[in-house]
Amino acid sequence: AQSVTQPDIHITVSEGASLELRCNYSYGATPYLFWYVQSPGQGLQLLLKYFSGDTLVQGIKGFEAEFKRSQSSFNLRKPSVHWSDAAEYFCASFTGGGNKLTFGTGTQLKVEL
Amino acid sequence: DTAVSQTPKYLVTQMGNDKSIKCEQNLGHDTMYWYKQDSKKFLKIMFSYNNKELIINETVPNRFSPKSPDKAHLNLHINSLELGDSAVYFCASSQWGGEVNGYTFGSGTRLTVV
Repeated sequence: AQSVTQPDIHITVSEGASLELRCNYSYGATPYLFWYVQSPGQGLQLLLKYFSGDTLVQGIKGFEAEFKRSQSSFNLRKPSVHWSDAAEYFCASFTGGGNKLTFGTGTQLKVEL
Repeated sequence: DTAVSQTPKYLVTQMGNDKSIKCEQNLGHDTMYWYKQDSKKFLKIMFSYNNKELIINETVPNRFSPKSPDKAHLNLHINSLELGDSAVYFCASSQWGGEVNGYTFGSGTRLTVV
């Protein structure tokens, strides 16, 4: 079964610094991969998605992610973090066998001013 | 216009009570889901319905009963609430085959059982 892992539970960056959040997947075929963000007290908002084509995908709020098959990774990046980016970030994929979106354990991002 | 709306946003209740959470989507999607987010922020799918038919039924106590009166609505009824049911419950929707576009989530219902 396909799954995703997020190795970092917490990450702290300074405002204006670059950001990379890690996500690793396990699946034989090309996976469907997503990044969601959850701001405090809010629901989950889709940042970007990948299932085929260009391996560098652009999302909302200035985020991008790169699919690397050789490393089984789909890391989320942002060149310059804003204080409002502080939130919980989830990588997700579809588990083989149907319509079931499975989430990683999340990475909490803190932004220092 | 809210795409996926849940009510109530907060729910505080005593152990043993029965409560319901309602969800409605106006996206024209045909599939809806319930997820549970525990205190460690871990998200786990509970149920999904496609055109009012139960598709996914994960290992969830049978005190939890979903009901979908039509494809735009999915409610969650919980009997005999326990302390361990305290969590944030998210409703989501998608078009069947949501692999391409992912799911759209509601803002969640924070359930606290005291």
